[in-house]
Amino acid sequence: DADVTQTPRNRITKTGKRIMLECSQTKGHDRMYWYRQDPGLGLRLIYYSFDVKDINKGEISDGYSVSRQAQAKFSLSLESAIPNQTALYFCATSDFRDGTYEQYFGPGTRLTVT
Amino acid sequence: AQTVTQSQPEMSVQEAETVTLSCTYDTSESDYYLFWYKQPPSRQMILVIRQEAYKQQNATENRFSVNFQKAAKSFSLKISDSQLGDAAMYFCASRGGSQGNLIFGKGTKLSVKP
Repeated sequence: DADVTQTPRNRITKTGKRIMLECSQTKGHDRMYWYRQDPGLGLRLIYYSFDVKDINKGEISDGYSVSRQAQAKFSLSLESAIPNQTALYFCATSDFRDGTYEQYFGPGTRLTVT
Repeated sequence: AQTVTQSQPEMSVQEAETVTLSCTYDTSESDYYLFWYKQPPSRQMILVIRQEAYKQQNATENRFSVNFQKAAKSFSLKISDSQLGDAAMYFCASRGGSQGNLIFGKGTKLSVKP
């Protein structure tokens, strides 16, 4: 089984709808991240969390919110989706104790906002 | 702010030949890590190789090696004996400060010709 899972894998939604992307991990890592990938722009950080009570904004947090329900779960919400939020979204984890900050990625969620 | 620059949006290589992907970075950190990730059409982010900045020796993983020039802030990836399965997007990334997130370049799309 995959160590980092994301649901759904693909989603089409309409402008103005609220949508939640979910991420779960079995790696036991403390740190979790949400990134957004757009063609030609690479991956950019939306939010990150060091533990359940420590959540921080990243480079492009406007229009997004997150919830760390447990060490293993980190959800990303779009309160009112807009077309320019159409992108590939990745969840990632890392282990502070590892010292290398290598990130382990989920399979991604392809989101389309029409 | 930390930045990572990949100046080659696309590259092409003949099967069994060698190709080098370029990456430059800028960081104020004294201790940092650099990464190359591969993203095949399946869109999964796969770690190819990792370099610790304090190590002089260039990292190597089978057919993949890096040329790390710390003073020039350059971190290129060399793929030897290219295979059809190497065709993918390649992202260069650096660890972005205490929050541990990665700063990504915009990516290089590698095509492998049979």
